[in-house]
Amino acid sequence: DADVTQTPRNRITKTGKRIMLECSQTKGHDRMYWYRQDPGLGLRLIYYSFDVKDINKGEISDGYSVSRQAQAKFSLSLESAIPNQTALYFCATSTGTSGSDTQYFGPGTRLTVL
Amino acid sequence: AQKITQTQPGMFVQEKEAVTLDCTYDTSDPSYGLFWYKQPSSGEMIFLIYQGSYDQQNATEGRYSLNFQKARKSANLVISASQLGDSAMYFCAMRELSTGGFKTIFGAGTRLFVKA
Repeated sequence: DADVTQTPRNRITKTGKRIMLECSQTKGHDRMYWYRQDPGLGLRLIYYSFDVKDINKGEISDGYSVSRQAQAKFSLSLESAIPNQTALYFCATSTGTSGSDTQYFGPGTRLTVL
Repeated sequence: AQKITQTQPGMFVQEKEAVTLDCTYDTSDPSYGLFWYKQPSSGEMIFLIYQGSYDQQNATEGRYSLNFQKARKSANLVISASQLGDSAMYFCAMRELSTGGFKTIFGAGTRLFVKA
């Protein structure tokens, strides 16, 4: 079974709709992250959380919100989706306890906003 | 300011040959980590290799090695004996550890095509 899972894997929605993307992990990591990927731009950080009580904005948080329901769950919401939020969204986790603190990614959610 | 630069949008390599994917970075933090990830057409991001700024030796993981040249601020990925399954996007990334190490910055990626 995958250590980091994301649901849904694909979603098509309309402008103005509220959308929630969910991430769950079984790795036991404290740190969780949400990224979006656009062609030619690599990955950009939306939000990150170091533990259940700690939520921080990344470089492109406008239009997004998050909820850390438990150590293992981190949800990303688009309150009112717009077409330029069409992208591939990744959840990632890391331990935060080592120098490398490698991030491990979920399979991604492809979101299309019409 | 662009902190991770991958100058090769696309690369071709013949199967069984070695290939080098370029990555340069910019930081004033003396403590940082460098990562390479692979993204196949299926979309997932797969961690390949890590190099710490204080590591004396170049990192290696199987067929992957990282050519770390600190003075030149480069962290090129070398894939030896390329296989068809190596065809994918490759991302270089950096994390500045002195700022608490929360933010990993990614380059725009290099798409590698392995020819049979």
